[in-house]
Amino acid sequence: KQEVTQIPAALSVPEGENLVLNCSFTDSAIYNLQWFRQDPGKGLTSLLLIQSSQREQTSGRLNASLDKSSGRSTLYIAASQPGDSATYLCAVIRLAFGKGNQVVVIP
Amino acid sequence: GAVVSQHPSWVICKSGTSVKIECRSLDFQATTMFWYRQFPKQSLMLMATSNEGSKATYEQGVEKDKFLINHASLTLSTLTVTSAHPEDSSFYICSAGTDRGGNSPLHFGNGTRLTVT
Repeated sequence: KQEVTQIPAALSVPEGENLVLNCSFTDSAIYNLQWFRQDPGKGLTSLLLIQSSQREQTSGRLNASLDKSSGRSTLYIAASQPGDSATYLCAVIRLAFGKGNQVVVIP
Repeated sequence: GAVVSQHPSWVICKSGTSVKIECRSLDFQATTMFWYRQFPKQSLMLMATSNEGSKATYEQGVEKDKFLINHASLTLSTLTVTSAHPEDSSFYICSAGTDRGGNSPLHFGNGTRLTVT
């Protein structure tokens, strides 16, 4: 079963400092990983999507890295602003295989 | 950008009644929709996955007869909480994707705050 952990659970930083948010997952067989932000009482806003074949994605002040082998993703937010105050969630889409269908075609 | 509209944003109902929550994809076709519930200061817990035209797949521990999910079209999925009880009070959120394989990003609705009195 895939376990996703985010550390730290909460943090406060002075305006202007860079933010580093960590996400770890136990099963490296992932399809993609997505970072979201959630404001209080609201739904989720997608920030970045990283495909399993990618190492990082960047959007403005945001940069997310992915290291599947170690089961980690990190979200960097440069020069933090008060408007960045929110809860940040990472979500992992797992790649799962069935046991296969063995086919024999008889000539 | 892709927009998911969830309605209502909040609802208060009496114990024993049923509540329907709608999730609509406004500018794209949502092949797959997901329903979550979120308790205060907790992460989202996936309740069920629904593909258009198919029966929903429920996560372990989620009662399918209590949380009825319908995904009859590519733009609309509904979650009906039947015979609601106070313990069903929670924040319910839907998300939608454009393919069944998880290759597309997920787009979330703004959630529905359900309070059962």
